[in-house]
Amino acid sequence: AQKITQTQPGMFVQEKEAVTLDCTYDTSDPSYGLFWYKQPSSGEMIFLIYQGSYDQQNATEGRYSLNFQKARKSANLVISASQLGDSAMYFCAMREGYNNNDMRFGAGTRLTVKP
Amino acid sequence: SQTIHQWPATLVQPVGSPLSLECTVEGTSNPNLYWYRQAAGRGLQLLFYSVGIGQISSEVPQNLSASRPQDRQFILSSKKLLLSDSGFYLCAWTPGTGGTEAFFGQGTRLTVV
Repeated sequence: AQKITQTQPGMFVQEKEAVTLDCTYDTSDPSYGLFWYKQPSSGEMIFLIYQGSYDQQNATEGRYSLNFQKARKSANLVISASQLGDSAMYFCAMREGYNNNDMRFGAGTRLTVKP
Repeated sequence: SQTIHQWPATLVQPVGSPLSLECTVEGTSNPNLYWYRQAAGRGLQLLFYSVGIGQISSEVPQNLSASRPQDRQFILSSKKLLLSDSGFYLCAWTPGTGGTEAFFGQGTRLTVV
């Protein structure tokens, strides 16, 4: 079964506006971590933000914030004040269990920032 | 600081030829190591992961194999490549203690012709 679901194959946002990229996950393990990565056209994977299942506060890193809704099993990425350089593929990922060793990725969302 | 090296960056191989992609990590010990494949415009598919020397877990049955001859070395191989093996291959590592993000290599773009 799909563990990580990203339902938006592509998204457009106007420069300087905020955008939300959706991610839902499926796990029965109470301990897990959620991650967002950015992949520009060069192919490198850039880590953006992390949310632990026991974290009380939503994670924030600069212009990135994670809207963590545990009961809904969603971990949406919010990018504020979009910049042209934000155009890239964005992947949501999950690791289950504290010391689990495999990280599963969603299919990704291609974000295009329009000037 | 920790670094991860993956090579080659690009590779064009004929169908039926062998494959060897290498990944090494520096600045850490006993990392968890991973191989992912990404088809064009698609997500990442976990192929193999390893928690220690000689310990390999395979996620998808295929004509690829992985080996971990040393603590910080992870090799992806094939005896005979198929056209469907084309894609972008990414090596990654996480600390053995878990709980943090994965760090990725620069990737290898493999085209099987």
